[in-house]
Amino acid sequence: GESVGLHLPTLSVQEGDNSIINCAYSNSASDYFIWYKQESGKGPQFIIDIRSNMDKRQGQRVTVLLNKTVKHLSLQIAATQPGDSAVYFCAEGSKTSYDKVIFGPGTSLSVIP
Amino acid sequence: EPEVTQTPSHQVTQMGQEVILRCVPISNHLYFYWYRQILGQKVEFLVSFYNNEISEKSEIFDDQFSVERPDGSNFTLKIRSTKLEDSAMYFCASKTGFDGNTIYFGEGSWLTVV
Repeated sequence: GESVGLHLPTLSVQEGDNSIINCAYSNSASDYFIWYKQESGKGPQFIIDIRSNMDKRQGQRVTVLLNKTVKHLSLQIAATQPGDSAVYFCAEGSKTSYDKVIFGPGTSLSVIP
Repeated sequence: EPEVTQTPSHQVTQMGQEVILRCVPISNHLYFYWYRQILGQKVEFLVSFYNNEISEKSEIFDDQFSVERPDGSNFTLKIRSTKLEDSAMYFCASKTGFDGNTIYFGEGSWLTVV
């Protein structure tokens, strides 16, 4: 069945360092992946997405890497700032369930000033 | 920037009571969703809604739950007889369906069943 999970539930990084958040998925039919950021008491906020025909996509200070061979997804945040502290979720969607996304369990990122 | 808005932000209700959570999706969006998040856990899919009908629902979305789009702007989630385990943050979400699959979420309605 569909399954999205995370390698690391918590991550602490020094301000200014780069952060890498990892995610594993098991549904080979998934054709796009999304990273969401959730701050305390708020809804998931879209960060970046990537389709299965790509292996890398860059945004502002963020890069998502997709390795379909090992079903692995990562989010890289450059020059991490205190405002990046939040829970990060990867989510997957597929044509077989064409309109919903399934969330992974989340990684809590703490930025140390 | 357009956003999904939800009301109420927090509701406390007694077990067995009916609750209606309201959402105004982004105006040009065609797909609508409800998700929930129990405290400290991941975000779980409940139901998707397109073309005035449910397109998909999860096992969580049992007969106690219903959704409705009563007019051109609102999208509601009704829980007919609340249980303690319904206590959670409920997120409404929407997407256009035309330019990709990005789903945008509201800030949530926190439901506490006592």
